[in-house]
Amino acid sequence: DTEVTQTPKHLVMGMTNKKSLKCEQHMGHRAMYWYKQKAKKPPELMFVYSYEKLSINESVPSRFSPECPNSSLLNLHLHALQPEDSALYLCASSQGTVNTEAFFGQGTRLTVV
Amino acid sequence: AQSVTQLGSHVSVSEGALVLLRCNYSSSVPPYLFWYVQYPNQGLQLLLKYTTGATLVKGINGFEAEFKKSETSFHLTKPSAHMSDAAEYFCAVSPNYNNAGNMLTFGGGTRLMVKP
Repeated sequence: DTEVTQTPKHLVMGMTNKKSLKCEQHMGHRAMYWYKQKAKKPPELMFVYSYEKLSINESVPSRFSPECPNSSLLNLHLHALQPEDSALYLCASSQGTVNTEAFFGQGTRLTVV
Repeated sequence: AQSVTQLGSHVSVSEGALVLLRCNYSSSVPPYLFWYVQYPNQGLQLLLKYTTGATLVKGINGFEAEFKKSETSFHLTKPSAHMSDAAEYFCAVSPNYNNAGNMLTFGGGTRLMVKP
């Protein structure tokens, strides 16, 4: 199994809503990542979890809150988002933190209205 | 700090023609280098990567890339384009030190169009 599964595939939320994006992998990978991709732009790193601990936060606003409940799961909690946060959110995982391939999920297309 | 530049946001080739997608990086030390492909409304799939060793790297779907340190380049090539190669291609770098994670920094992307 070389899949990273993201749910939901599409999400529309209002600016006052609270929602969560979920990511799951069963490859035994110990590093997991959230990336944000705006239309016609490259992905931008948001967060890195290494061995279930947050190791990197790329100055992401607090309305985005990551959580890693266990080594297979990664969540991104969303609250009070703005329309400009609409984007494709990509989850990725890798076996380690150096010199290993990152596997990406298919993403969650988020629209904030 | 690292950066990646992909020359040409759009490249159009005829089916059967050579594909050449250009990537140059800027880094104080040679980083790890990757090429990813993204089809519409999909995630990213790794085509190939360079970490150490042989500078000519072969990947999936007939793609290959050559790491040229003197030119700080990692251009992607394929001898003969197929219609199914039409997609967005991203060159990416990550630092080659421990605990960096796959902190990928992506280039701006190149959209490859293949004409019949």
